[in-house]
Amino acid sequence: QKEVEQDPGPLSVPEGAIVSLNCTYSNSAFQYFMWYRQYSRKGPELLMYTYSSGNKEDGRFTAQVDKSSKYISLFIRDSQPSDSATYLCAMSGRKDQFYFGTGTSLTVIP
Amino acid sequence: KAGVTQTPRYLIKTRGQQVTLSCSPISGHRSVSWYQQTPGQGLQFLFEYFSETQRNKGNFPGRFSGRQFSNSRSEMNVSTLELGDSALYLCASSLAPGSQETQYFGPGTRLLVL
Repeated sequence: QKEVEQDPGPLSVPEGAIVSLNCTYSNSAFQYFMWYRQYSRKGPELLMYTYSSGNKEDGRFTAQVDKSSKYISLFIRDSQPSDSATYLCAMSGRKDQFYFGTGTSLTVIP
Repeated sequence: KAGVTQTPRYLIKTRGQQVTLSCSPISGHRSVSWYQQTPGQGLQFLFEYFSETQRNKGNFPGRFSGRQFSNSRSEMNVSTLELGDSALYLCASSLAPGSQETQYFGPGTRLLVL
């Protein structure tokens, strides 16, 4: 069983929709959680970084962590065509090594 | 400020050969991590270097090695290439180990092994 599971999609939504991206994990020691966005032919860029449980909001992006369910989510409000990319979740217990999901491909249709 | 640079951007090699990839971190960043990205496995951690010392290593065979120089630039080497080594190799730099919130990735080197 992989440490981190992420639905690869692809996910296709109309512009302006709310997007929900999710990851599940098996290691209860994970307490650092990150979301990255990766455009084609580019390296990943950090979107959100959270510690432990709870919500964190940054503009149109909201990250949620539910440690009891071992489930994390990234919500994108008012999605734009420029949000079309692959979204990767990553997590770690002691910040010495991060485990990544395989990524969810998102397309926002104008 | 210049971002993380990786050279070369693309490489084609044949089985059994070896390859060296280079990474120049963001100025002031002293920690460099390497990752392998494939469609099936996603991003997998290879190793992390700080102050010319390997701090952490992922679950990869000894054919994968790396080093870091005094100016924080890093190289990784893969010997005796196998078809399964075809992947995007990403380098990421951060201010220090454990400061992933400051981590930036380079564009990657795409390696194709024939």
